[in-house]
Amino acid sequence: AQTVTQSQPEMSVQEAETVTLSCTYDTSENNYYLFWYKQPPSRQMILVIRQEAYKQQNATENRFSVNFQKAAKSFSLKISDSQLGDTAMYFCAFMNPPGANSKLTFGKGITLSVRP
Amino acid sequence: GAGVSQSPRYKVAKRGRDVALRCDSISGHVTLYWYRQTLGQGSEVLTYSQSDAQRDKSGRPSGRFSAERPERSVSTLKIQRTEQGDSAVYLCASSLGLAENEQFFGPGTRLTVL
Repeated sequence: AQTVTQSQPEMSVQEAETVTLSCTYDTSENNYYLFWYKQPPSRQMILVIRQEAYKQQNATENRFSVNFQKAAKSFSLKISDSQLGDTAMYFCAFMNPPGANSKLTFGKGITLSVRP
Repeated sequence: GAGVSQSPRYKVAKRGRDVALRCDSISGHVTLYWYRQTLGQGSEVLTYSQSDAQRDKSGRPSGRFSAERPERSVSTLKIQRTEQGDSAVYLCASSLGLAENEQFFGPGTRLTVL
């Protein structure tokens, strides 16, 4: 079974600075997907960024980028130029290839606070 | 268009009672998922279904949890004989199909069992 570990329960960052959120996972699969989801206090989770394991290039979405280290099974999220609206819980998640039991396995999440 | 919605947003139930939580998915989405989210334990999948068939009940050993699809875009999560340990936020998510990897989440229903 796959597991996702987010060892930091909370982090704080000054507005406009950069912060990195850590995530490790364990799987015996070679092909899979990794995600970072954001959940603001209103509770609706939204997708921030995704990475296909077969792609070596790290995914980037505007201020959000990942550092995907497949051999180390590490998938960290970097948020550049942090904004107050980035304050939320962030969940790292794993998914088997679509079509094969494509449920998400989540980490416990990390609470990120952006200070003005 | 409208996103995934859930009702009620908050539910209080007495221990031992049955509850039903509703999810309205995005039109055209085929696969519906139910996740259970608790503070400190993260989120775990309860069940998911593709089209009209309930497909999986993994994550919860008890048969007290079940999901029904009365309509293609509607799912009802039923919890029988609720226990205090069932107190959590129940999240519904939908995707275009098993071939699609992005899931869209609803706001959740916070269930409190007294």
